[in-house]
Amino acid sequence: RKEVEQDPGPFNVPEGATVAFNCTYSNSASQSFFWYRQDCRKEPKLLMSVYSSGNEDGRFTAQLNRASQYISLLIRDSKLSDSATYLCVVNGRGSTLGRLYFGRGTQLTVWP
Amino acid sequence: DTAVSQTPKYLVTQMGNDKSIKCEQNLGHDTMYWYKQDSKKFLKIMFSYNNKELIINETVPNRFSPKSPDKAHLNLHINSLELGDSAVYFCASSQSGFSNQPQHFGDGTRLSIL
Repeated sequence: RKEVEQDPGPFNVPEGATVAFNCTYSNSASQSFFWYRQDCRKEPKLLMSVYSSGNEDGRFTAQLNRASQYISLLIRDSKLSDSATYLCVVNGRGSTLGRLYFGRGTQLTVWP
Repeated sequence: DTAVSQTPKYLVTQMGNDKSIKCEQNLGHDTMYWYKQDSKKFLKIMFSYNNKELIINETVPNRFSPKSPDKAHLNLHINSLELGDSAVYFCASSQSGFSNQPQHFGDGTRLSIL
């Protein structure tokens, strides 16, 4: 079983739509969670960290459910510039070392 | 100013050759990483160095040898290149080796083996 599982999509939504991505992770001892964004043929960039209580950054809301080992990302009022692949990222087996596991990514296309 | 820079951006070479990829970060970070992203888009860690010391060494063929001359540089040398080595290789850095630190990526080296 992979450390991080994501629905690869693709998700195709109109501008202004709300879209949600989900991700599950296998290691119950994981303590650090992130969403990264990767544009086509570019490097991954940190979108936001995910905190236990859930957190919001503008149009983006991340939620963590430790009991279900489930992470979500909600994007409201989608913009054309949101088109990218969203990577769910989780740290390794309770280690404090920088060993991060990346999901395969969920592809989002926002159309006008 | 580029925070994490890798060279070359593109590398096309023949099977059996030896090649190196260089990485430098000007963020003052202590920890640097090499990742491989294959055609299926999975991003997998290969190596990590903290202050020039190897701290992560995933199951990677020993044809791959990282070298960190100082904490701002982490180079990757690959011997006897094989077709399966074709991928995008990303260098990254973080403030420390703790996994709650975000990682900053270079823009990748696209390696194609003929």
